[in-house]
Amino acid sequence: GAGVSQSPSNKVTEKGKDVELRCDPISGHTALYWYRQSLGQGLEFLIYFQGNSAPDKSGLPSDRFSAERTGGSVSTLTIQRTQQEDSAVYLCASSFGLAGVRVQYFGPGTRLTVT
Amino acid sequence: GESVGLHLPTLSVQEGDNSIINCAYSNSASDYFIWYKQESGKGPQFIIDIRSNMDKRQGQRVTVLLNKTVKHLSLQIAATQPGDSAVYFCAENYGTASKLTFGTGTRLQVTL
Repeated sequence: GAGVSQSPSNKVTEKGKDVELRCDPISGHTALYWYRQSLGQGLEFLIYFQGNSAPDKSGLPSDRFSAERTGGSVSTLTIQRTQQEDSAVYLCASSFGLAGVRVQYFGPGTRLTVT
Repeated sequence: GESVGLHLPTLSVQEGDNSIINCAYSNSASDYFIWYKQESGKGPQFIIDIRSNMDKRQGQRVTVLLNKTVKHLSLQIAATQPGDSAVYFCAENYGTASKLTFGTGTRLQVTL
């Protein structure tokens, strides 16, 4: 079956512009996660959705970052007034959200470059 | 704060040898651990996971060992192949559907 998909795969934007990143989770997965990976670093948690609600937004680095999920499926991560330090790969993952199955499956990521 | 870390940033092994990648975690409440493989330009790929009520789990050519006493996790890859060259991350988790906390990763280089 189809895995997690993300778009765009690459995004170059000027400092100060807003960007939207999209994630399509695996069908049937109720849990969706956003992570950020800076060059040569591990993955940093941003936000977690269960259905359309976000019980954990603790990783969002500033109020310039927001995310939403509609219909319990597609999610959009928005970064307003982008800064150079926002340059990173943004990864989305999804899981069944069940006690017995906790594996998170990742998409290919969106590489964001802020010039 | 709570964290998961890796001891070695780069591990070089010869093709056919066994590889061992180590990971330390600090949150004693973590009850689930997972290993991912990440190739250049791709998202992390699930390798194997283990729950805290187990100390060993085997997959195809991979074994994960968990030592809760010293809060240590390892990934063993048997008969390492060139296709195993990648960055490997361990991650830990507490709770059914919550964030994974990742280490910085270990790069595995397989030499011929």
